This record gives sequence, C-alpha cells and structure tokens, in this order.
Amino acid sequence: GAGVSQSPSNKVTEKGKDVELRCDPISGHTALYWYRQSLGQGLEFLIYFQGNSAPDKSGLPSDRFSAERTGGSVSTLTIQRTQQEDSAVYLCASSRRLAGTIYEQYFGPGTRLTVT
Amino acid sequence: EDKVVQSPLSLVVHEGDTVTLNCSYEVTNFRSLLWYKQEKKAPTFLFMLTSSGIEKKSGRLSSILDKKELFSILNITATQTGDSAIYLCAVEGWRGGSRLTFGEGTQLTVNP
Repeated sequence: GAGVSQSPSNKVTEKGKDVELRCDPISGHTALYWYRQSLGQGLEFLIYFQGNSAPDKSGLPSDRFSAERTGGSVSTLTIQRTQQEDSAVYLCASSRRLAGTIYEQYFGPGTRLTVT
Repeated sequence: EDKVVQSPLSLVVHEGDTVTLNCSYEVTNFRSLLWYKQEKKAPTFLFMLTSSGIEKKSGRLSSILDKKELFSILNITATQTGDSAIYLCAVEGWRGGSRLTFGEGTQLTVNP
C-alpha cells in the first residue's frame, strides 16, 4: 500500500472490555513497531516485529497487552480487560530492515483509544 | 535504560526567525538518531542520522549528529507558520532487537 494504515481510527470502549487494534504496514516492510502516546506524553515503545517474530516485547506495559503478526504483514495489538490508563493513541510504524542495514520508520495515522 | 532529552520543550518565534532544537541521548548500542515532525496524530519522518559530522538538509531544515558528545541539533531557517508542530527526536538502540526511544518533543509555535 501507499502508507501504513491502522484501524479503527477511533475506539471507545468500556473498562474491562477487550480491544483489538490493527496495523497494515507498507508492502515489503519486514519490520513493524507498535508505540503508545498518552495525552501530553512522549511516544512509548511497546513491541517490535521482524517478520512474524517479536525479538523485543519488553515495552509491553502489562500482561494484558499482547501482539501478533501473521504472514509477515498485518499485526494486531490486543488489550484485554482495558483500564482507563490504557487510553492513548496507539501508533504503528514499519520499515524495511535487512541484516546490518538500517531504514527509517514510517508511521500510520494511529488509533485513538478511549476507555470509559 | 535508554534516554532522550530534548530542549527546549516549548518555543515561540515569529515568521522568518531561525530556530535550533536540541536532542541529547544515552542509548545502548546506538544505531541511528531520527527526527520527526508531529502535527496531528502520526509523526512524519524528517531525517535519519547515523554518522557524526555529516549534515543532512531538506529545504529549510537541516540536522547534524555528534556521536562523541551524544547530541543532535535540528535547525529550521526562515520559519513559516506551517512549521508549527511538535518536533520529536528518537534514538534507535539495539538490545537483541531494535527499539526507538523518543524524547518528549519540542513544541514549536511560529507566529505570523
């Protein structure tokens, strides 16, 4: 595709419900990243995928958060039993990555999650 | 723990002014430093810097990296109101995988 796309663009959910956020990376980008930006805060790294594997999950804030990527393309970030502090904009980014070569990350438009 | 500190946090200037935004960092296994512009939701990529002393330019924007002193600057000359945004600095480190650590950003406001 032309750019990284994310869905939904906005999600309002009740506390305690589960939510799934989707990211479609740029075609051909093997690396995929999830970030979170809370109101007035900087971007917080959550998880990184290279292909379908996640070498670094240490940014996930709790075991209620999980992410998967299938087919080396689409990724889903799942938040179980949502809490009000989960309210934030969730941003996905993708980049090309070959061993030893660094490429810039391109961001999607984000999903604004509001937990009421 | 990787750390990125940007200064100033907020800056208000008039059109035509030149601004310099600062970014200092501490990171495990430095790979690159990136600058982004964030106007609404998604940051848009500006520059990626990997080598010291090599200036990158794009129009009125330029940036340079000092890997010895662990900082970078972003310069914007002849500022325009459309430059008003949050400018984010991020460093890529490597710890078994790649991650970006972002600074808090500099909120730039350019008044006509």
